[in-house]
Order: sequence, then C-alpha cells, then structure tokens
Amino acid sequence: SYELTQPLSVSVALGQTARITCGGNNIGSKNVHWYQQKPGQAPVLVIYRDSNRPSGIPERFSGSNSGNTATLTISRAQAGDEADYYCQVWDSSTNVFGTGTKVTVL
Amino acid sequence: QLQLQESGPGLVKPSETLSLTCTVSGGSISSSSYYWGWIRQPPGKGLEWIGSIYYSGSTYYNPSLKSRVTISVDTSKNQFSLKLSSVTAADTAVYYCARIGSFHTLEIWGQGTMVTVSS
Repeated sequence: SYELTQPLSVSVALGQTARITCGGNNIGSKNVHWYQQKPGQAPVLVIYRDSNRPSGIPERFSGSNSGNTATLTISRAQAGDEADYYCQVWDSSTNVFGTGTKVTVL
Repeated sequence: QLQLQESGPGLVKPSETLSLTCTVSGGSISSSSYYWGWIRQPPGKGLEWIGSIYYSGSTYYNPSLKSRVTISVDTSKNQFSLKLSSVTAADTAVYYCARIGSFHTLEIWGQGTMVTVSS
C-alpha cells in the first residue's frame, strides 16, 4: 500500500517561513491535498491539487509537488497557524493520509 | 452553505456493530459532482480514511477495513451511513463525515463524533 511520510514536528519563529514535507514514491505524479487541524476541531482543507488555495485560505499558504516530495509552505507564520497538518493523495482507489506534522510557532 | 452533521451512539460494546449517520444540509447529496466519505481519528493519532460513496451507491473502501465496513446512502433523507462490525477498542476514535470533490479532495467536513468501544 502507498505510504506518505511527514516529519513529526516543525518549529517556526513568528513571522518566519515553515516548510512541511510529505514524502511518497513518485508523489509528483499525484494530486496532493493538505489539511490543517487545530485541537478539538475537524480538519480544514488549505491546499488542493498541489498548489491551489480554497477561498478564504490566506496567500501565506502555498504548496509544491515534484519527484518524491510534496511541500506545504507557510510564510510569515502566525500564532494561529499552530496546528497539525496532513497531506493526502488518492492511490489505487484508496485515499491515503500522511502521518501528520505538528507545527509550533515560537 | 453546505453542512454535514454526524450522529449516532457514543458508546458501543466490543464485538457489536458501530452505526453512524451523516446528515447533509444546505445542498443535495444527489449532486453528480461529489462523493461522500467517512474518516476516523483515534485519540492522539492521525487520520484514517474509511470509505466513500456516490449517490448512486458506488463505493470505495479502505482495504484494511473492507471486511467490516458498509457505507450506504439514503437520498430521500439526504443522509449517508456507516456500519462497522465486530468492533474492538482499536475502533475507538472520532469519526468524521466529509464531502469529497474532484481529485478526491475532502472539501467540507462534519464536526466529528467521538465513539468509544467499551463494555
């Protein structure tokens, strides 16, 4: 089965840039979506199809995908960006989630 | 504005069947553009996809759960449902329903409902 690997945690200073990776075999050939989940809340879609932002998601959130790694970038990080982030792809008729990354804003 | 709401028992005994319903409001479950899905999250752990269904009844299931899962749809009530049989403590989780759009994007989520498996 397809696996997506994310770092357990990422720390970023307030106002700086955080990058969260999502590793998978030839993930660059797939459509990658990203979700933000704050404590006690349902996940929210922040990036779809590698690099597209849904309405209402700040431009500070961006994404890229190439080779074996997809990346979610949070620019000018704010305290409100502290959350867990999950990548997701569709593979072999199955939705697959990444292992999740906890982002801490210092 | 489309909303999804999960409902069902919060406590299920081991070996029994977990049953949940997701009610869709503000839009039709019969839209040709979407699938409807279930996802779960054990306490302190990550997200796990359970399965999804089209309004016509076509389904996809997580292979690891397929033998125990049934997802069905009731277009007259604008609802879809999850049944998970032979539950154990490992099935304790928050269960979410979601609308699935193009490219299998989980666009809109319900608030989630906690289900505990315990005697």
